[in-house]
Amino acid sequence: GENVEQHPSTLSVQEGDSAVIKCTYSDSASNYFPWYKQELGKRPQLIIDIRSNVGEKKDQRIAVTLNKTAKHFSLHITETQPEDSAVYFCAASKPGNQFYFGTGTSLTVIP
Amino acid sequence: EAGVAQSPRYKIIEKRQSVAFWCNPISGHATLYWYQQILGQGPKLLIQFQNNGVVDDSQLPKDRFSAERLKGVDSTLKIQPAKLEDSAVYLCASSLVGRVTEAFFGQGTRLTVV
Repeated sequence: GENVEQHPSTLSVQEGDSAVIKCTYSDSASNYFPWYKQELGKRPQLIIDIRSNVGEKKDQRIAVTLNKTAKHFSLHITETQPEDSAVYFCAASKPGNQFYFGTGTSLTVIP
Repeated sequence: EAGVAQSPRYKIIEKRQSVAFWCNPISGHATLYWYQQILGQGPKLLIQFQNNGVVDDSQLPKDRFSAERLKGVDSTLKIQPAKLEDSAVYLCASSLVGRVTEAFFGQGTRLTVV
């Protein structure tokens, strides 16, 4: 199977600062890496994803980087806002659409 | 488009009782997943269907958990008998088959076993 590790488990930042969450994966066959945001009591929702043929992807304040050689990928949130506070999960998927999730990072943005 | 529908939203049962959860995926999504999310942890895949066939059930505790997707659309997940450690949110998700793409999640069913 696949083993996805995620760090840190909790992260507090001041509003306006950047937040970085890192994940590693074990299976070199994994080729799709989505990031989900889960607010308290709500469903996980996709915020950004990256495929293995791309090294970086950006969408407004959110960016994801992928290092296939090292088998790690990271989520970067710039200019954080209180509404960014949530739990973020990384995932790795390989052909067959089997998703393996990290353990989550609880992000708190302090106003 | 309509999202993934799950019911019930909440369920409280006593240990050793049985419980069933229902999921209706997004129309046209051939792949359906059931995940168990224990408080403070990431979703753990229990079973993955493609149409009405099982793709992966390696982490499904088959002595007490069962799932079916008879017509390749709706799915039910059953626990019989429930244990205290089954308390969790059970998330259903669906995705298109073929090109790897995102999984869309339902709201989940929060199960409390007392």
